[in-house]
Amino acid sequence: DVVMTQTPVSLSVTPGQAASISCKSSQSILSRDGKTYLYWYLQKPGQSPQLLIYEVSSRFSGVPDRFSGSGSGTDFTLKISRVEAEDVGVYYCMQGLYLPRTFGQGTKVEI
Amino acid sequence: EVQLEESGGGLVKPGGSLRLSCVGSGLIFKKAWLNWVRQAPGKGLEWIGRMKSNLDGGTVDYAAPVKGRFSISRDDSRDTLYLDMNSLRVEDTAVYYCGSGYPDHWGQGTQVTVST
Repeated sequence: DVVMTQTPVSLSVTPGQAASISCKSSQSILSRDGKTYLYWYLQKPGQSPQLLIYEVSSRFSGVPDRFSGSGSGTDFTLKISRVEAEDVGVYYCMQGLYLPRTFGQGTKVEI
Repeated sequence: EVQLEESGGGLVKPGGSLRLSCVGSGLIFKKAWLNWVRQAPGKGLEWIGRMKSNLDGGTVDYAAPVKGRFSISRDDSRDTLYLDMNSLRVEDTAVYYCGSGYPDHWGQGTQVTVST
């Protein structure tokens, strides 16, 4: 299975500051079709996960532009340019190229 | 607006069975690839299986921990996805979510507790 490793495990930020989460996959998730199947989710307290970013850097519908994704091959980053109080929760990366789909262990973001 | 709603969770003894359902609305259900993902108490997300649309062959894939015990099926006439869980173990205790697509939309989850 592809192992997804996120760092840090937790992050304490001040509103208005930037935040960055790293996700590394144990093998490349670049597909032969040229797409890289890396996704970012946020699970707010008491809620279901919600999709933020798909295919490394595309923001899902309704996601604020303070969220951005980057990376290639095996190394990926989620950046929040100016953290807001509503951004608290656990962030997960997930690879969508291989079965089984695998998630990172999560990064807890606190204000 | 896409909505997914799971139901069928509950308390079951080890070795027992349970069927979860996930009803979809706001999407062309018969075209959707659908997933089940679970989250054990205080833990992260674990993908447990996916069913392609019947238009794409209806293939079902499972994660190793549930293969042979869990079965995913769908009834497109009812816009419903199912998860049949057999030989349940204590470690299957989790909130079970269905998700469409990547997943890009998720239900609110249903709690399954396996305990004596």
